[in-house]
Amino acid sequence: GENVEQHPSTLSVQEGDSAVIKCTYSDSASNYFPWYKQELGKGPQLIIDIRSNVGEKKDQRIAVTLNKTAKHFSLHITETQPEDSAVYFCAASWLTNAGKSTFGDGTTLTVKP
Amino acid sequence: KAGVTQTPRYLIKTRGQQVTLSCSPISGHRSVSWYQQTPGQGLQFLFEYFSETQRNKGNFPGRFSGRQFSNSRSEMNVSTLELGDSALYLCASSLVVPPGLGNEQFFGPGTRLTVL
Repeated sequence: GENVEQHPSTLSVQEGDSAVIKCTYSDSASNYFPWYKQELGKGPQLIIDIRSNVGEKKDQRIAVTLNKTAKHFSLHITETQPEDSAVYFCAASWLTNAGKSTFGDGTTLTVKP
Repeated sequence: KAGVTQTPRYLIKTRGQQVTLSCSPISGHRSVSWYQQTPGQGLQFLFEYFSETQRNKGNFPGRFSGRQFSNSRSEMNVSTLELGDSALYLCASSLVVPPGLGNEQFFGPGTRLTVL
């Protein structure tokens, strides 16, 4: 089955700096890679996703890059703000069946004011 | 549009008991997935239901079961509870559209189950 590894497990940055979280996956058949943000007491919330036919996607301060050959994808957050502090999860699945996702172990991001 | 709702939000049970958790998906969403979240194991896929049928199943023992009703609402049941079943149980719903158009999952707030 699919295996997703996520690094780092914790990340601390100063407000205004950039943050990068990296994930690798094992199943070359995976073609849908969402990123989720989970705040305390809440369920994960989708913040951005990318499909295997795209190399990069950007949404304001958030961007995701995908390298299919190396089977890794990364989340980039620029101009970080204290409200970006949360746990971030990457996941891998199939577009035809995103209901079964394999998640990374999560990255706890702390943005210091 | 209302989001995914889960009831109850908190539950305390003792070993050996059974428990039923409920999930109401976003209106129009036909797929419901269940995940177990623990500090040690992260987010683990339990199963997915689509049109009242279990479409996918994770690597959990048979004590974990679920079902989906005709209105897409779903329940999961855990029998003979063990201490290790203490976790946050998350439900996620998705629209299920033709491939390529996106099948984003929307998560509920979860049910926090504590087994004593």
